[in-house]
Amino acid sequence: AQTVTQSQPEMSVQEAETVTLSCTYDTSESDYYLFWYKQPPSRQMILVIRQEAYKQQNATENRFSVNFQKAAKSFSLKISDSQLGDAAMYFCAYRSYTYPTSGTYKYIFGTGTRLKVLA
Amino acid sequence: GAVVSQHPSRVICKSGTSVKIECRSLDFQATTMFWYRQFPKKSLMLMATSNEGSKATYEQGVEKDKFLINHASLTLSTLTVTSAHPEDSSFYICSAMGDNYQPQHFGDGTRLSIL
Repeated sequence: AQTVTQSQPEMSVQEAETVTLSCTYDTSESDYYLFWYKQPPSRQMILVIRQEAYKQQNATENRFSVNFQKAAKSFSLKISDSQLGDAAMYFCAYRSYTYPTSGTYKYIFGTGTRLKVLA
Repeated sequence: GAVVSQHPSRVICKSGTSVKIECRSLDFQATTMFWYRQFPKKSLMLMATSNEGSKATYEQGVEKDKFLINHASLTLSTLTVTSAHPEDSSFYICSAMGDNYQPQHFGDGTRLSIL
């Protein structure tokens, strides 16, 4: 079974600085998706960035980028020029690429990292 | 972008009441919808997955008679918490996925409080 591990329960970053959130996962599959979701205090989950495992190039979305190391099963999120609005819980998630025999896709979420941005 | 509407955002009701939560995909057809439960400062716990027109697939430990899920159309899924008790109080979040290559998009969540 797949697992997702976020070893940092909480991180702090100074405004305008850069911070990296860690995520490791375990799977025997070769093709899959990885995601970072953000959950601000308003509680809505927002997709930050997505990475397809078959793509070697790291995904980027404006100030957000990932460091995807497939062999190491590592998927870290880098936030550059941190802003106060980046303060939130960040969840790393895994999803299979191929349709599973169970007939349903399932996302596996990590336990989350709470990011505090200091003014 | 893809929008998922979840209603109501907050419910307070007496023990024994049944509560229905709606999840709608507003600008896309959702082949699959997910229902999660989230405890304070915890991760999302998948309760069930539903595909339009078929029975929901429940995760181990989730009572299907307690949490009734109906996915009647490609844009609507409902979760009914039957005979709710205080231990059912929680934050419930739905998400919807279009085709298999799209990420899931989340609703705003429903805070359920059972007195």
